Amino acid sequence: GDSVTQMEGPVTLSEEAFLTINCTYTATGYPSLFWYVQYPGEGLQLLLKATKADDKGSNKGFEATYRKETTSFHLEKGSVQVSDSAVYFCALSDRSGSRLTFGEGTQLTVNP
Amino acid sequence: GAVVSQHPSRVICKSGTSVKIECRSLDFQATTMFWYRQFPKQSLMLMATSNEGSKATYEQGVEKDKFLINHASLTLSTLTVTSAHPEDSSFYICSASGQNTGELFFGEGSRLTVL
Repeated sequence: GDSVTQMEGPVTLSEEAFLTINCTYTATGYPSLFWYVQYPGEGLQLLLKATKADDKGSNKGFEATYRKETTSFHLEKGSVQVSDSAVYFCALSDRSGSRLTFGEGTQLTVNP
Repeated sequence: GAVVSQHPSRVICKSGTSVKIECRSLDFQATTMFWYRQFPKQSLMLMATSNEGSKATYEQGVEKDKFLINHASLTLSTLTVTSAHPEDSSFYICSASGQNTGELFFGEGSRLTVL
């Protein structure tokens, strides 16, 4: 079945550091790929998504590119802020677009 | 943006009692709602999919008699944990799919602690 594997956390960075959170997937067909963010005490929020190979999703300075050849969707940000501290989940959807398979989540802490 | 709200956000109950968690879509009609369970430091595990007016579809390994799901209207789905035991303690999250976009919106989650 479908699966998503994320870089293990927790990740601790200083403000303005470069961030990469790795995500690889296994799926049949051509899934859509997502990054969700969960701030403390809140529900998951969609951060960005990509629906086909070579698409780049971007939002709030975060980017991820759908790489079919490496089955990856790594999350990057050039300069993190304290407010980026959260748990980040990589996910893929089936053809319906609603049923999601999540990775394990990566806890990010950004220190001032 | 679209809002999905869960209630209660935290609940503590005694072993053997039943607990109901509500999931509401506040400003849109949700044809489909999903219930997830999240263990500490682990991913979200899909428990079931519910469509308004029909029976929920449970994932393999999820006891449907233990986790009762009712999606009685386009804005409300409920998850009832029956005869709760300490191993049912977890963070339960719902999501709702809008009619037009199909985009998923997540609730804030409900933390259940069974003593």
